[in-house]
Parts: sequence; structure tokens; C-alpha cells
Amino acid sequence: KQEVTQIPAALSVPEGENLVLNCSFTDSAIYNLQWFRQDPGKGLTSLLLIQSSQREQTSGRLNASLDKSSGRSTLYIAASQPGDSATYLCAVKGGSEKLVFGKGMKLTVNP
Amino acid sequence: GAGVSQSPSNKVTEKGKDVELRCDPISGHTALYWYRQRLGQGLEFLIYFQGNSAPDKSGLPSDRFSAERTGESVSTLTIQRTQQEDSAVYLCASSSTGRQPQHFGDGTRLSIL
Repeated sequence: KQEVTQIPAALSVPEGENLVLNCSFTDSAIYNLQWFRQDPGKGLTSLLLIQSSQREQTSGRLNASLDKSSGRSTLYIAASQPGDSATYLCAVKGGSEKLVFGKGMKLTVNP
Repeated sequence: GAGVSQSPSNKVTEKGKDVELRCDPISGHTALYWYRQRLGQGLEFLIYFQGNSAPDKSGLPSDRFSAERTGESVSTLTIQRTQQEDSAVYLCASSSTGRQPQHFGDGTRLSIL
């Protein structure tokens, strides 16, 4: 059974720092991996999707990497801003169509 | 609209009542998913539709839960005889194919008194 872990559960940093968010998964036989952000009271916003054959994806200040063999992904946020404050979720898709989610990491960027 | 739309946004009901939650996916998206997010827990998969068929219902927690999709568009999740443990945010997502990202609605926050 696939399990997805995100550690730490919460992080508070000053504005301007470069951040690395970690995600690990137990079954390396994944189809793709998706990073989301969730603002309070809102649904999930898709940030980046990495197919199993890819090593990384970039969008603006965000870069996500995937090391399938070791069961790890990282989300890099450059020059963090208060507007980046949210909960970040990692999810993997395996042999079925469903996504298996981590519990998320709550990020607070202080001005 | 351009995104996934869910209604109602909030629902408060008494234990034992039936509730219906609605999802309008992005136009043209053939895949539709329901997830549940309980307080302090991760998102749990409930059911997946491809077109109007549901090849994976493995996440439905009990026979009080059912879902249907019509016209390869709107989906309804029905919970019968609601219990307090059904209190959660119910999220719907859609995608064009399995290789594409899943796009989520804002969810329905269900509270059972």
C-alpha cells in the first residue's frame, strides 16, 4: 500500500529565504507525482506535475524534482514571499487512477 | 466556468438525514474524482469516474455512500443516513487524461450535528 510522507508538518520562515519541501513515498512504481497548494477554506491548486520519466519541472519560482528509485520528491521555492504561505501537499499516482496524498506541510512566510 | 465548481459550499445537517453534493467538472474532462478531507487527516480517495462509469469505487467508506455521473459531466455524491464521522470537506477533481494534472474545486464543507 502506497504511503506518502511530508516532514516537517509545519515550517515558519522569514521572507526571502529559499525553501526545500520534502515528500517521500514507499512504492517507487508511480505514474506521476503532483504538488499542490491549499489556502485556508479553499480547494487545491495544482503547482507542478512530474511524470515518472521526468526528473524535474519548473514554473516561475518553483522547481520540483523527482527521484523515483529513492522514493523522494522535493519542491524548491526561491525567494519566498508572504503570499507563499499555504499548506503544500504532495500526491502520487500509481497503478490506479487515484492520487495518494501526504498530510501536507503548512508554510508560513513572515514579512 | 473555467474551473471545477462544487455546490453547496457549506452544508449543515442533522444526523440521520441524507445529503447530496454536486460537482461540475471542467468542460471536456472525461475523468472525475471525489476525495474527502477530514480535520487533521490527509485527503482520502472515494471514487473515480471515466465518462459515466465508475471503474474504481474502492474508497467509498460504506454502503451509505453512492455517486453517479451523467452526460459525462455533472456528478452527485450522496450520503444517506449521515453520521457525525461524515463531517469533512468533500473535494471533487477532474482531468482530461490520466497523464494530466487533476484540477480541484473548492469543496463542500459538510457538518453533521
